[in-house]
Amino acid sequence: AQTVTQSQPEMSVQEAETVTLSCTYDTSESDYYLFWYKQPPSRQMILVIRQEAYKQQNATENRFSVNFQKAAKSFSLKISDSQLGDAAMYFCAYRSAEGGTSYGKLTFGQGTILTVHP
Amino acid sequence: SAVISQKPSRDICQRGTSLTIQCQVDSQVTMMFWYRQQPGQSLTLIATANQGSEATYESGFVIDKFPISRPNLTFSTLTVSNMSPEDSSIYLCSVLRTGDAYEQYFGPGTRLTVT
Repeated sequence: AQTVTQSQPEMSVQEAETVTLSCTYDTSESDYYLFWYKQPPSRQMILVIRQEAYKQQNATENRFSVNFQKAAKSFSLKISDSQLGDAAMYFCAYRSAEGGTSYGKLTFGQGTILTVHP
Repeated sequence: SAVISQKPSRDICQRGTSLTIQCQVDSQVTMMFWYRQQPGQSLTLIATANQGSEATYESGFVIDKFPISRPNLTFSTLTVSNMSPEDSSIYLCSVLRTGDAYEQYFGPGTRLTVT
């Protein structure tokens, strides 16, 4: 079974600064997807960024980028120019790309609470 | 994208009773899932809702406690039966759509408190 670990329960950053959230995972599969989700107090899960394991290039979405190290099974999220609206719980998640009973199922890390200071 | 609604958005229930949560999607989807998020915790998959057949439950979750229905490709219900305070959680519906393999959409969640 796959596991996802976020070792930082809480992180804080000053507005306009950069912060990196860590995530490691364990899997024996070669084809999978990795995601970062944001959950603000409204509870709505918002997809921040995704990475396909077969792509060597790190994904980037505006101020959000990842550092995907497949061999090390590491998937960190960098938030640049942090804004007050970035404050939320961030979840790292894994999803198998293979068929069968695991298809479509997300495995989440424990989450990291990000606080942004003005 | 897919727009997902859940009803109710929140409820306070007495122990021993049951609550049915509805999930409605604005378009046909391949797969629907139900997750539980206990207070301050991460999300845990309860089951995959299969259209026209019995749901597939994850380890630790059973049909008698969490019966699920999915009568068509846009609608599913999750019932939390014989509730206890330990069932107090946020319950989220999630969908995966054909041809949109990367993104998984989530409903706004139902906050359940059992007293």
